[in-house]
Amino acid sequence: ELKVEQNPLFLSMQEGKNYTIYCNYSTTSDRLYWYRQDPGKSLESLFVLLSNGAVKQEGRLMASLDTKARLSTLHITAAVHDLSATYFCAVSNTDKLIFGTGTRLQVFP
Amino acid sequence: EAQVTQNPRYLITVTGKKLTVTCSQNMNHEYMSWYRQDPGLGLRQIYYSMNVEVTDKGDVPEGYKVSRKEKRNFPLILESPSPNQTSLYFCASSLPAGGSDTQYFGPGTRLTVL
Repeated sequence: ELKVEQNPLFLSMQEGKNYTIYCNYSTTSDRLYWYRQDPGKSLESLFVLLSNGAVKQEGRLMASLDTKARLSTLHITAAVHDLSATYFCAVSNTDKLIFGTGTRLQVFP
Repeated sequence: EAQVTQNPRYLITVTGKKLTVTCSQNMNHEYMSWYRQDPGLGLRQIYYSMNVEVTDKGDVPEGYKVSRKEKRNFPLILESPSPNQTSLYFCASSLPAGGSDTQYFGPGTRLTVL
């Protein structure tokens, strides 16, 4: 059974600092996704990672995938308040999609 | 505008009263899916559909039904809702695997079952 674990579950960080969110999954998968959810809103797709070693960057966010370690990371560089949200990773298992429990990020001045 | 729409956005109902939440997408996507979101549990997949007339169970299908008679629509049916189905529900659509594969989510339906 595919399980997806994220950590930390909650992250409070100061503006300008760097941090990493981790996403571990338990069985082989061919695709990994990162999503963002603002409070009271829907989910917005950030990245789709398709192969080992894949790295994608958008603004202050960079996602990477290590399929051998079954690990994806979402790195935040020089955090700003606008990045405050909940971030989810999700892993595909054949045609199903399994989500992590999310990391709630708060960026303060 | 490319979008996934859900109706209703908010619904309060009573135990046992059948209800349907509609989902429609205008992007000609083949893959559609329903999720429920509960605090501390992330999103859990209820049902998904690879194409018209093709549906399959996700991780938490009990108490739900779906149908896919047209490509654009994927309604979620609760035949006899119970309080443990109180949740925030999201519909999503995407191209099939091998395409861009980004899932587009609807705005959500907040359901309360009394």
